[in-house]
Amino acid sequence: SAVISQKPSRDICQRGTSLTIQCQVDSQVTMMFWYRQQPGQSLTLIATANQGSEATYESGFVIDKFPISRPNLTFSTLTVSNMSPEDSSIYLCSSRQALTDTQYFGPGTRLTVL
Amino acid sequence: EDKVVQSPLSLVVHEGDTVTLNCSYEVTNFRSLLWYKQEKKAPTFLFMLTSSGIEKKSGRLSSILDKKELFSILNITATQTGDSAVYLCATTRGGSNYKLTFGKGTLLTVNP
Repeated sequence: SAVISQKPSRDICQRGTSLTIQCQVDSQVTMMFWYRQQPGQSLTLIATANQGSEATYESGFVIDKFPISRPNLTFSTLTVSNMSPEDSSIYLCSSRQALTDTQYFGPGTRLTVL
Repeated sequence: EDKVVQSPLSLVVHEGDTVTLNCSYEVTNFRSLLWYKQEKKAPTFLFMLTSSGIEKKSGRLSSILDKKELFSILNITATQTGDSAVYLCATTRGGSNYKLTFGKGTLLTVNP
C-alpha cells in the first residue's frame, strides 16, 4: 500500500487568507484525490487531481476556491482560498492503488479558520 | 445521487463482545464497497468487496456483501478497546471515475 504524507498536519488561519496543503506519495500513482471532512460529518470528495491536466471538481466545489496542482505522479497540492470559518475541516488526500478501487489516505490536515 | 447509509450511528459495547455494523447502499452501476477504520484523522483501509457471498476476513474482523439486497456487514469478534473508532463504508461506481461515496460512519466505543 502507498505511504502518503501531508503537511501541514494542522493550522489555524485568519479569514480571508489562503492555505496550501501538500500531499506526497511514496510511489508513482495515476490518481490522487482530495476530500473534506467537516466537523461531525463524513468524507466528501472535492476533486480528482489529474497529472498533466486540470483537476476534476465535484458538484459544489470550484477551482477558484480550491485550486489544485499535480505537477508529477507523486505530488499534489490543494489550496483553500479566501477562507471563512465554514472552511474549518479536515482535508485529506488519497491515492488509488493501481488495478483496484482501494484508496489509501494521508494523515490529514486539520484546518481551523477564525 | 448515490446513497450510502450506515447503522447504527453509534454503539457502545464491553470488551469481548461481538458487534455487527451495517451498510446499505443505492448506487447506480455499483462496482465495489469498501470499509475503513478512522481513528483521529486518517481512514485506514480494511476491506474491499466486489462479489456477493464471499467473506473477507482479517483477524477478528470480517465482512460480507449482498448485492441482491444491497448491503454489507462488518463483524468484529472479541472486541478490544483498540477497536474504538469510526467505521466508514464507501462505494464506487463502474467506469473510470473511482470516486468513493462515504456513509456517515458508525462510532464504536469499546469499554474495558
